Amino acid sequence: NAGVTQTPKFQVLKTGQSMTLQCAQDMNHEYMSWYRQDPGMGLRLIHYSVGAGITDQGEVPNGYNVSRSTTEDFPLRLLSAAPSQTSVYFCASSRTVPSTDTQYFGPGTRLTVL
Amino acid sequence: GENVEQHPSTLSVQEGDSAVIKCTYSDSASNYFPWYKQELGKGPQLIIDIRSNVGEKKDQRIAVTLNKTAKHFSLHITETQPEDSAVYFCAASRESSYKLIFGSGTRLLVRP
Repeated sequence: NAGVTQTPKFQVLKTGQSMTLQCAQDMNHEYMSWYRQDPGMGLRLIHYSVGAGITDQGEVPNGYNVSRSTTEDFPLRLLSAAPSQTSVYFCASSRTVPSTDTQYFGPGTRLTVL
Repeated sequence: GENVEQHPSTLSVQEGDSAVIKCTYSDSASNYFPWYKQELGKGPQLIIDIRSNVGEKKDQRIAVTLNKTAKHFSLHITETQPEDSAVYFCAASRESSYKLIFGSGTRLLVRP
């Protein structure tokens, strides 16, 4: 199993540009989530999904959209990038909710918005 | 709102010494407390967790203790090795919750 994969590893955007961060898992996990990691602030939940077709907002959802059309994929969209969205983004998955089952993280995407 | 405070932010120890990282949580209904290790350039990885029905859990050189009354929990690493050098995150969650609340992280450096 590849586990949780994320693409790209690095990305530089200009303010106002849009892009999609890709996330896929091959473990047939129902729960998937997106976090952003900023220095001194730990990991903050952006959006999560408890299954295909179901998504919900986390702590910091503004400026981001998600969709879950399949169990395997959970892309994160930035509609109009802002410098405040410069961060490292992690996708994670677990069989059920992370308070019950082990949550597996992808390798991350480092995004810089100029 | 829910909050998890983690201390210290950086910790440097000599190889073979012990390391202790402490976290305090605000939501008294929290009952699941995982610890993650993040190596350079990688995503966090679960290393140990504890639920509120136990006070301590061990796995080889690592252990976690929980004090529900004081609402704090700690990670203990004994006989530290250079490969223990990483960033460690604590987190807290309610039973069956969809989300974990993470601490701000501790950068541990084990000096050879």
